[in-house]
Amino acid sequence: QLVASGGGVVHPGKSLRLSCAASESTFQSYPMHWVRQAPGKGLEWLALISSDGAQRSFADSVKGRLTISRDNSNNTLFLQLDGLTVEDTAIYYCARGSVIRKRFTAWFDPWGQGTLVTVSS
Amino acid sequence: QSLLTQPPSVSGPPGQRITISCSGSVSNIGNNYVYWYQQLPGMAPKVLIYRNYERPSGVPDRFSGSKSGTSASLAISGVQSEDEADYHCASWDDRLSGPVFGGGTKLTVL
Repeated sequence: QLVASGGGVVHPGKSLRLSCAASESTFQSYPMHWVRQAPGKGLEWLALISSDGAQRSFADSVKGRLTISRDNSNNTLFLQLDGLTVEDTAIYYCARGSVIRKRFTAWFDPWGQGTLVTVSS
Repeated sequence: QSLLTQPPSVSGPPGQRITISCSGSVSNIGNNYVYWYQQLPGMAPKVLIYRNYERPSGVPDRFSGSKSGTSASLAISGVQSEDEADYHCASWDDRLSGPVFGGGTKLTVL
């Protein structure tokens, strides 16, 4: 089970930091993703981090603004997004990923319940 | 603009066979597995189909997936009212080095 937290109302230009706590010790064995969904829109993948934290990949839309990290000793995933704009208003989901034959995939399971971030002045 | 193209909406009466298409390119669907996610209203998505056509345990067998070339499809044979949801396709994109989603398809059971 994944539980995301840290959402709320944030002013434009500020930063947000989200956490995703995993209840299983297997957390450290899997890559993890952040995905967001703007109101009434589809899913947008943001970033992934490998199981050991050595590899990271980012969507072009947030590259340079987003930091993804993990603490395997505490089974927790983090996201920091800087320079927020109203276009960053969305539900942010964390999700566990997978690797097949040393390649990342588009498997996301399970998903956290999501945490709503509203960027507004 | 999503790299994977889905119809915005589909609809049909209970019992009808419904298909949802997902069109991509060589860099994503053409060279990688396709996944389908069901998102019930107000809920997080859940995986429905993985590796093109595999069903996780617990997913009814009326759901099936297929892939041909750079396109994929999700079929629901005998749609039920509880299937009303948004459906999203996804695949890894080799050019972007990340997964990509379709824009999502809203299924309405009439």
